[in-house]
Amino acid sequence: GDSVTQMEGPVTLSEEAFLTINCTYTATGYPSLFWYVQYPGEGLQLLLKATKADDKGSNKGFEATYRKETTSFHLEKGSVQVSDSAVYFCALMNSGGSNYKLTFGKGTLLTVNP
Amino acid sequence: DAEITQSPRHKITETGRQVTLACHQTWNHNNMFWYRQDLGHGLRLIHYSYGVQDTNKGEVSDGYSVSRSNTEDLPLTLESAASSQTSVYFCASSGSGTPLNYTFGSGTRLTVV
Repeated sequence: GDSVTQMEGPVTLSEEAFLTINCTYTATGYPSLFWYVQYPGEGLQLLLKATKADDKGSNKGFEATYRKETTSFHLEKGSVQVSDSAVYFCALMNSGGSNYKLTFGKGTLLTVNP
Repeated sequence: DAEITQSPRHKITETGRQVTLACHQTWNHNNMFWYRQDLGHGLRLIHYSYGVQDTNKGEVSDGYSVSRSNTEDLPLTLESAASSQTSVYFCASSGSGTPLNYTFGSGTRLTVV
């Protein structure tokens, strides 16, 4: 079945450091890929998405590129802020056959120190 | 504004009791989902529905049930609560025209003692 493997945390960075959170996937067909963010005590919010190979999703300074050849969707940000401290989830949706379920990775806790 | 609300936000119950968690959305979305979030496991799908009277099992459905009698609501019932069901539960919805765009509720933290 479909699966998502993401970098184990926690990740601790200083403000303005470069962030990479690795995500790889296993899926049949051509899934859509997502990054969600969960701030403390809140639900999940969509951070960015990509629906086909070589697409780049971007939002709030975060970027991720859909790499079909390496089945990856790594999250990057050039300069993190304290307000980026949250849990980040990589996810996929394999919508072939009208399947709209999300499959999530285990999440990566990011803490950014001032 | 349209929203998705879960209630209660926090619940403590005893082993063996039946518990129902509510999820109500005003987006008029056909697709609704229940996930549980546990440390080290991420979010795992419990049950989902693609419309009224439609319900389907997810990967961790044992001990849970859902019913969909209208578009707005998908209550999740724990038939006989167990300590292994202590978790944070999230409801989500998405529209038939925009199935990639999920909206999540704020979650229900359930503790089974």
